[in-house]
Amino acid sequence: KAGVTQTPRYLIKTRGQQVTLSCSPISGHRSVSWYQQTPGQGLQFLFEYFSETQRNKGNFPGRFSGRQFSNSRSEMNVSTLELGDSALYLCASSLGTGGGNQPQHFGDGTRLSIL
Amino acid sequence: AQSVAQPEDQVNVAEGNPLTVKCTYSVSGNPYLFWYVQYPNRGLQFLLKYITGDNLVKGSYGFEAEFNKSQTSFHLKKPSALVSDSALYFCAVRDGLGGSYIPTFGRGTSLIVHP
Repeated sequence: KAGVTQTPRYLIKTRGQQVTLSCSPISGHRSVSWYQQTPGQGLQFLFEYFSETQRNKGNFPGRFSGRQFSNSRSEMNVSTLELGDSALYLCASSLGTGGGNQPQHFGDGTRLSIL
Repeated sequence: AQSVAQPEDQVNVAEGNPLTVKCTYSVSGNPYLFWYVQYPNRGLQFLLKYITGDNLVKGSYGFEAEFNKSQTSFHLKKPSALVSDSALYFCAVRDGLGGSYIPTFGRGTSLIVHP
């Protein structure tokens, strides 16, 4: 069974640009969550999608947005990039929505560097 | 509100010795507790979970964790450490009785196993 796939693995952008990251969950998983990981802040929750609907949202500005398609694949978009957006962005999928007792399965992330 | 604390940024242990990575939590209802491991340039991998039942939970790669309700702890243990266990370990908690569906992750503990 294929795991969670995130593309691209590495991305370099400049301030002010926008970026779109992609995540393909494990087959059959309907929940996709996004996290930002930085050395200083650790893992921070961005948002969760379940059946194409945003179910939960973390404390990030509106520049961070996402969506989920009918095949459960998800995209995350960051507009007007800032230096502080440099991070590892992780996607995780699970069978149930966030309140369930199932573990999350993570992709290997997209390393975003802002110059 | 829910929270999780990993009091040690780093744990050092000699190969062959037992290891413990500490985690304490706080939730309003019943805790759903998880341990994940992250190797360099990879996403998080699920190790084990506690939802209900036996306080001692066994997981992948010989790891186990003990749920202690009175001390609100969920420490990760392994009887004999391997150099290959060196990685970043994360404890996570969800409130099993509603509340926040957003999982809370600890800041991570770097485990270093010396040959």
